[in-house]
Amino acid sequence: GAGVSQSPSNKVTEKGKDVELRCDPISGHTALYWYRQSLGQGLEFLIYFQGNSAPDKSGLPSDRFSAERTGGSVSTLTIQRTQQEDSAVYLCASGGGLAGHSYEQYFGPGTRLTVT
Amino acid sequence: DAKTTQPNSMESNEEEPVHLPCNHSTISGTDYIHWYRQLPSQGPEYVIHGLTSNVNNRMASLAIAEDRKSSTLILHRATLRDAAVYYCIRHTGNQFYFGTGTSLTVIP
Repeated sequence: GAGVSQSPSNKVTEKGKDVELRCDPISGHTALYWYRQSLGQGLEFLIYFQGNSAPDKSGLPSDRFSAERTGGSVSTLTIQRTQQEDSAVYLCASGGGLAGHSYEQYFGPGTRLTVT
Repeated sequence: DAKTTQPNSMESNEEEPVHLPCNHSTISGTDYIHWYRQLPSQGPEYVIHGLTSNVNNRMASLAIAEDRKSSTLILHRATLRDAAVYYCIRHTGNQFYFGTGTSLTVIP
């Protein structure tokens, strides 16, 4: 079946512009996670959704970052007034739902964001 | 610090066992330990997870110390396809805390 998809795969933007990153989770998965991975680093947790609600937003690095999830499916991560330090690979993962493996996350291929 | 600590890199000969260590000295009683691995240019993939008891699956085994302050991921016979960065993760509440990972090189 289809896995987690993310778009765009690559995004180059100028400093100060807003960007939207999209995640399509595996159908039926109730949990959705966003992470950020800077070059050569591990993953940094950003936000977690259960259904449409985000019980944990504590990982968002600043108020320029926001995320929403609609219909318990697609999620968008928005970064306003981008800065060069926002350059990273943004990974989305989904889990739970039909498989019953609520602790197993399935990752998408990521969006590589470059802020110039 | 909620993160885990792992060696930056390790090497193994092909078809030999590999023991990847992880320290998580501040773990609490309800936190799970997860392992994921990331191949080049791909998102991480699940390997195994556990709470207190040792765990086995088709990919690997997870040995958890009695005090739960450390754990070891065991690959029984390394193959070239096992070359990846292996992340030990502390799962607490709704958050997954990734360490910086161990880059495993498998030597033919």
